[in-house]
Amino acid sequence: GAGVSQTPSNKVTEKGKYVELRCDPISGHTALYWYRQSLGQGPEFLIYFQGTGAADDSGLPNDRFFAVRPEGSVSTLKIQRTERGDSAVYLCASSFGRGNEQYFGPGTRLTVT
Amino acid sequence: QKEVEQNSGPLSVPEGAIASLNCTYSDRVSQSFFWYRQYSGKSPELIMSIYSNGDKEDGRFTAQLNKASQYVSLLIRDSQPSDSATYLCAVYMKTSYDKVIFGPGTSLSVIP
Repeated sequence: GAGVSQTPSNKVTEKGKYVELRCDPISGHTALYWYRQSLGQGPEFLIYFQGTGAADDSGLPNDRFFAVRPEGSVSTLKIQRTERGDSAVYLCASSFGRGNEQYFGPGTRLTVT
Repeated sequence: QKEVEQNSGPLSVPEGAIASLNCTYSDRVSQSFFWYRQYSGKSPELIMSIYSNGDKEDGRFTAQLNKASQYVSLLIRDSQPSDSATYLCAVYMKTSYDKVIFGPGTSLSVIP
């Protein structure tokens, strides 16, 4: 079946702008995760959804970051007032439940100029 | 101590040799352990999961888990140049964090 998809694959934006990153998980996966990965680092947890609710948002770095999953499938990560330090690859993963095997999408490379 | 640590790379092995990748973790009651492979510019790809002590083999890959020592490893037999990638260890730390924590990764280079 289809894997996790993410759009856009690349996003270049100016400092201070608003961006939205989209993730479409594997069909049937109730758990969805957002990670951020910088060069030479492992994925850094941002937020976890179980169904429609954000079960754990402890990884969001500040209140400029917000994510939604209104129908329990597609999720959108929203970043307000972007800063150059937000530049990274944003990864989405899905699984059948927390602690289960996670499958990653191709990622969105965000560059803030 | 970081939650998940991996042996620092880069690790270079000749083609056909065994590559050994190591990972230690801090949460004594961690339950699930995963190895991901990440090619440069690509996203992580799950290659192995292991949940109980001992060895688990899948083709040329063997995962080894020792919960008492809080240690998990990945062996790659008959290494191929196509195995050259960064290998990420991930641990589900249910008690302390209730989330999967990733290590920093070990870069492996298989020399033809």
